[in-house]
Amino acid sequence: DGGITQSPKYLFRKEGQNVTLSCEQNLNHDAMYWYRQDPGQGLRLIYYSQIVNDFQKGDIAEGYSVSREKKESFPLTVTSAQKNPTAFYLCASSISGQRTDTQYFGPGTRLTVL
Amino acid sequence: GEDVEQSLFLSVREGDSSVINCTYTDSSSTYLYWYKQEPGAGLQLLTYIFSNMDMKQDQRLTVLLNKKDKHLSLRIADTQTGDSAIYFCAEILNYGGSQGNLIFGKGTKLSVKP
Repeated sequence: DGGITQSPKYLFRKEGQNVTLSCEQNLNHDAMYWYRQDPGQGLRLIYYSQIVNDFQKGDIAEGYSVSREKKESFPLTVTSAQKNPTAFYLCASSISGQRTDTQYFGPGTRLTVL
Repeated sequence: GEDVEQSLFLSVREGDSSVINCTYTDSSSTYLYWYKQEPGAGLQLLTYIFSNMDMKQDQRLTVLLNKKDKHLSLRIADTQTGDSAIYFCAEILNYGGSQGNLIFGKGTKLSVKP
């Protein structure tokens, strides 16, 4: 089955620790995205990557970092510099990152910082 | 700035029609999307409409687009309890440094009463 997987589903970390969220896709999509969702809010774009070894900041990139060493994988690191990291994180991918491409989403990771 | 507006809540009775409304900002948006999010899950693409269309129907779903008023609506016929979810409207941003990025509304929580 083709799709996007995110792991883990739930993640708990202590304040001040970095944590990395996994996102993998086997859809052969070039573009991948990370969004953050807070209760009662829409999705906000953190980072996106249109091709391997390249990525761009989204609207709320501060306190986050990404890498795109493989086409299938786009891990997101939430660093200790992120002031309010508790949120639901969604990964998405699209065929090529063109504005006409539909984005498909993974199931999400809920991060709670204690 | 860009903004997508939706009402936050809608409650209907099972079997009735639901209409979820959305207004968007970018008059040059080429595609507009409706996503569904069930509790604790990722976003599921429901349908989308290209900007040169006024209406699109897909089984129980009807999307209406009024480009003049920048208004998008999603009608769900014969609403079922399984339709209870949060529905997000999204537009493709076609200007500026974030061209090609999806801008989401805050979501409309649909509650279906038996």
